[in-house]
Amino acid sequence: DTAVSQTPKYLVTQMGNDKSIKCEQNLGHDTMYWYKQDSKKFLKIMFSYNNKELIINETVPNRFSPKSPDKAHLNLHINSLELGDSAVYFCASSQGGNSNQPQHFGDGTRLSIL
Amino acid sequence: SQELEQSPQSLIVQEGKNLTINCTSSKTLYGLYWYKQKYGEGLIFLMMLQKGGEEKSHEKITAKLDEKKQQSSLHITASQPSHAGIYLCGAVPSYNQGGKLIFGQGTELSVKP
Repeated sequence: DTAVSQTPKYLVTQMGNDKSIKCEQNLGHDTMYWYKQDSKKFLKIMFSYNNKELIINETVPNRFSPKSPDKAHLNLHINSLELGDSAVYFCASSQGGNSNQPQHFGDGTRLSIL
Repeated sequence: SQELEQSPQSLIVQEGKNLTINCTSSKTLYGLYWYKQKYGEGLIFLMMLQKGGEEKSHEKITAKLDEKKQQSSLHITASQPSHAGIYLCGAVPSYNQGGKLIFGQGTELSVKP
């Protein structure tokens, strides 16, 4: 009964390709997030959605396009992949977009660009 | 912008020893979260602190938030190999910013049997 699940877990692809990462949560939360963790383990917010509405877009290149078909899903599509996109991408969810509720994270998608 | 600084960046301890990890914020914290990450896995939520002076414990892990709400510490008593991993502190930089968390750079803990 995985709470926040991401697919795929590993993604190896060539520069210039387009790829998608999917995220689903079964916690009934209304807010979902995408974070990027670089090679130095530094974790940084990319996007957040509340009830399918974009709340945060943290100066991410527009090659990255999140899509939330419903509040249980938040997918991330990346166009024209670049070497610098290699990282671990984490999806998270919480109830409400405030500081009172913890965020629950998926296991991450390890993206490697060749 | 608000930043979180963790210390130490890495730590190697002998099993059974106590240890402390610190997280210092450049501004007042509205909520401070501690997470643990094991290699190849996601972040596991440990504890959340909100009030100045607050202290919470879970099994052998205790977290505190100072009165000024700018520093938190995570203390592990009688460490075990299962405690090994990367510990991350996260904070909401200011109230109602869409819930985004900013994170410290992490503390990598190794526990030698």
